[in-house]
Amino acid sequence: SQTIHQWPATLVQPVGSPLSLECTVEGTSNPNLYWYRQAAGRGLQLLFYSVGIGQISSEVPQNLSASRPQDRQFILSSKKLLLSDSGFYLCAWSTGTASYGYTFGSGTRLTVV
Amino acid sequence: DQQVKQNSPSLSVQEGRISILNCDYTNSMFDYFLWYKKYPAEGPTFLISISSIKDKNEDGRFTVFLNKSAKHLSLHIVPSQPGDSAVYFCAARSYTGNQFYFGTGTSLTVIP
Repeated sequence: SQTIHQWPATLVQPVGSPLSLECTVEGTSNPNLYWYRQAAGRGLQLLFYSVGIGQISSEVPQNLSASRPQDRQFILSSKKLLLSDSGFYLCAWSTGTASYGYTFGSGTRLTVV
Repeated sequence: DQQVKQNSPSLSVQEGRISILNCDYTNSMFDYFLWYKKYPAEGPTFLISISSIKDKNEDGRFTVFLNKSAKHLSLHIVPSQPGDSAVYFCAARSYTGNQFYFGTGTSLTVIP
């Protein structure tokens, strides 16, 4: 069966520090991978998605970047965090075509102080 | 531009009564719709789906209705239970893409 792992679960980082959140998927090949953010009191905002290794599409220009060094690994990064980067970050995967929905990871609560 | 909208940020319902959560969309190419349920500090979990070839799909206490002409879907929960208290997101996908667009969510509170 397919599983998705996301870590860490919580993170408190100072403004200006770097960020690296990792997501891995097991039990499937060539998944579509997604990074979402849920800011306080707001909905799910798509940040990045990837349909293959090294292929990243950015939905919202911002202080973050994403990389996909391996088929089932998706990394969200920042060189210098801003206060506005605080939020709940979710990784998700889906099948490559005719997707019938996403499977989400358990999320990372990031607080920038 | 928000293509999927949930205009009610919150909803409170008495236990045992019906909960109705609404969702509107603007893109006529959307052909597949989902509802997700999310508890605090957890990832969303799939609840129920509906294809545009149907106008209703039922799964236990949960029923989703789709009105294509009005570009509107709704989720009915009957009877509502305290464990249903969560944030509910609707999502839609077009047949030309593999990306789902999410609404802003409705926080449901079921009062015992």
